[in-house]
Amino acid sequence: NAGVTQTPKFQVLKTGQSMTLQCAQDMNHEYMSWYRQDPGMGLRLIHYSVGAGITDQGEVPNGYNVSRSTTEDFPLRLLSAAPSQTSVYFCASSMLQGRAGELFFGEGSRLTVL
Amino acid sequence: QQQVKQSPQSLIVQKGGIPIINCAYENTAFDYFPWYQQFPGKGPALLIAIRPDVSEKKEGRFTISFNKSAKQFSLHIMDSQPGDSATYFCRERNTGGFKTIFGAGTRLFVKA
Repeated sequence: NAGVTQTPKFQVLKTGQSMTLQCAQDMNHEYMSWYRQDPGMGLRLIHYSVGAGITDQGEVPNGYNVSRSTTEDFPLRLLSAAPSQTSVYFCASSMLQGRAGELFFGEGSRLTVL
Repeated sequence: QQQVKQSPQSLIVQKGGIPIINCAYENTAFDYFPWYQQFPGKGPALLIAIRPDVSEKKEGRFTISFNKSAKQFSLHIMDSQPGDSATYFCRERNTGGFKTIFGAGTRLFVKA
């Protein structure tokens, strides 16, 4: 079982470039989410989804877009990268019922914007 | 605005010691209180969790204690080992909601 898979693991961008961070899960989880992790600030929610076609904003959504066309995939798009978006990004998924709330995380994508 | 205050920011203990990490919250609608453990270069992983209808939960060497009146919950690591050296995060989730808030994290180092 692969769990939550994120690609790429590392990426360097120049200011103004765009890119997509990929996230896929094979646990049939309804809930998927993206976080950014910065030193001393914990994990902050960017966007989340409770099913295909349903997305909503988290705490820090500006500069990021998401879509959810399938249960398995939840890509995060940076339309015009800025140095303030240098961070480690984590994708996580969970069930909505039963053991809802237990988040399963990917191993992260480290992004540097020059 | 941060609604979860985690302390301390970092902690160093000797092997066998009992590090204690605290989380204070404001929103009484939170219904689930987990602790996550993160090793360098890895994603966080669920360590132990508690719901507000119990005051304590033990899993192996890890214990969560929950004080509803003080709006605080704590993680205790009994007989700590160097392999417990990691960053620990508390997390809260609103009842019926999908947004979640993490504490700022505690970096624990257990000396051999």
